[in-house]
Amino acid sequence: DIQMTQSPSSLSASVGDRVTITCRASQDISNALAWYQQRPGKAPKVLLSGASILESGVPSRFSGSGSGTDYTLTISSLQPEDFAIYYCQHYFSDPFFGQGTKLEIK
Amino acid sequence: EVQLVESGGGLVQPGGSLRLSCAASGFIFNSYAMGWVRQAPGKGLDWVSTISGSGAGPYYPDSLKGRLTISRDNSRNTLYLQMNSLRAEDTAVYYCVKLRSRPETGELLHSIFDSWGQGTLVAVSS
Repeated sequence: DIQMTQSPSSLSASVGDRVTITCRASQDISNALAWYQQRPGKAPKVLLSGASILESGVPSRFSGSGSGTDYTLTISSLQPEDFAIYYCQHYFSDPFFGQGTKLEIK
Repeated sequence: EVQLVESGGGLVQPGGSLRLSCAASGFIFNSYAMGWVRQAPGKGLDWVSTISGSGAGPYYPDSLKGRLTISRDNSRNTLYLQMNSLRAEDTAVYYCVKLRSRPETGELLHSIFDSWGQGTLVAVSS
């Protein structure tokens, strides 16, 4: 199985800040990576797939990059509704999620 | 609009069984692979199972093979998850998910979970 390791596990930031979350795969996943946002009490929502392809309706302040084993999610200017938990997930083989990054208001 | 509505969760004793259902609407059900993802209380997300639009597959992680059975009734636009020999560690919210598929065949394209239900809670406890 290909494991996913996210960092940091939690992050405090302010509205307007730029934040980056990192995800590392245990082997090359060839950009087969999705990012999800989960707000409290809600189901997750896919933000990006293919490491960098923004899903329909997702604000452009979200972006993704990376290749091989290392990937990042960047939020360019945090908005109040962005404080949530973010998960990466590979789909190179049987899908596997990272452990999540909790983004909290500073 | 895609809607996925789960039902069937509840409290069950260890060793017991439960069948979850997911009623789908807003899309051509048999054109999409479907699946289940679970989330233990306060924990992360775990893929549970996937089935293609035609019912082919299905697919499970090795850790869950033998205790779970995913199925679908395309005439009723409904997805099912039969869970047997339940353990305390199966306690979780179970989400019904729609996967990225080849709409002309309903075959799985990528395990990207692009629509989610609201989830149903399964609690395994004596």
